[in-house]
Amino acid sequence: DSGVTQTPKHLITATGQRVTLRCSPRSGDLSVYWYQQSLDQGLQFLIQYYNGEERAKGNILERFSAQQFPDLHSELNLSSLELGDSALYFCASSVARSTGNTIYFGEGSWLTVV
Amino acid sequence: GQQLNQSPQSMFIQEGEDVSMNCTSSSIFNTWLWYKQDPGEGPVLLIALYKAGELTSNGRLTAQFGITRKDSFLNISASIPSDVGIYFCAGQRTSGSRLTFGEGTQLTVNP
Repeated sequence: DSGVTQTPKHLITATGQRVTLRCSPRSGDLSVYWYQQSLDQGLQFLIQYYNGEERAKGNILERFSAQQFPDLHSELNLSSLELGDSALYFCASSVARSTGNTIYFGEGSWLTVV
Repeated sequence: GQQLNQSPQSMFIQEGEDVSMNCTSSSIFNTWLWYKQDPGEGPVLLIALYKAGELTSNGRLTAQFGITRKDSFLNISASIPSDVGIYFCAGQRTSGSRLTFGEGTQLTVNP
């Protein structure tokens, strides 16, 4: 158990709909990252938040948005869903050590758009 | 897009054999991480490397941070069936920045 909690684990929705994926980072971790993994693909970075502020943006579509709340949990909002948005969405959180960061992933939210 | 070249893409080995995989980059990373992912699961951190030249072990796993900071390798000794999965390398340029992932190495271990 990495300590990073994601809900829901599975989600099936229709094209054009909107969904929200939720992530609770490890206790004390200020950074939250979102990644997308399509079938048989690697992990593509979407966006990072640090202590409530957006820190870095990757290949995130304009239809997608995210935020990190004061209690440090984060939500990824996916709207106007298309079939190609079907993927595993991972949240990760990081802890800074004196030697460097260690990043832990949640179990993922499996989104199927039909 | 991906900036890490991970090889090999797949490996088919017999139980008990040793395995080696590596990642190379055109740019420098200050942290290298190795993850294992089972189907439908999240990546599980295996080893973290923070210093050029560092050699770190975790049980039967050994990983090294290349001296140039542009590469890393992972060795698995005496493989067992539960080693099956996809292994990803990931690099981090600066502390707290995003991870860049390799394409993954699919490992199959035949009993």
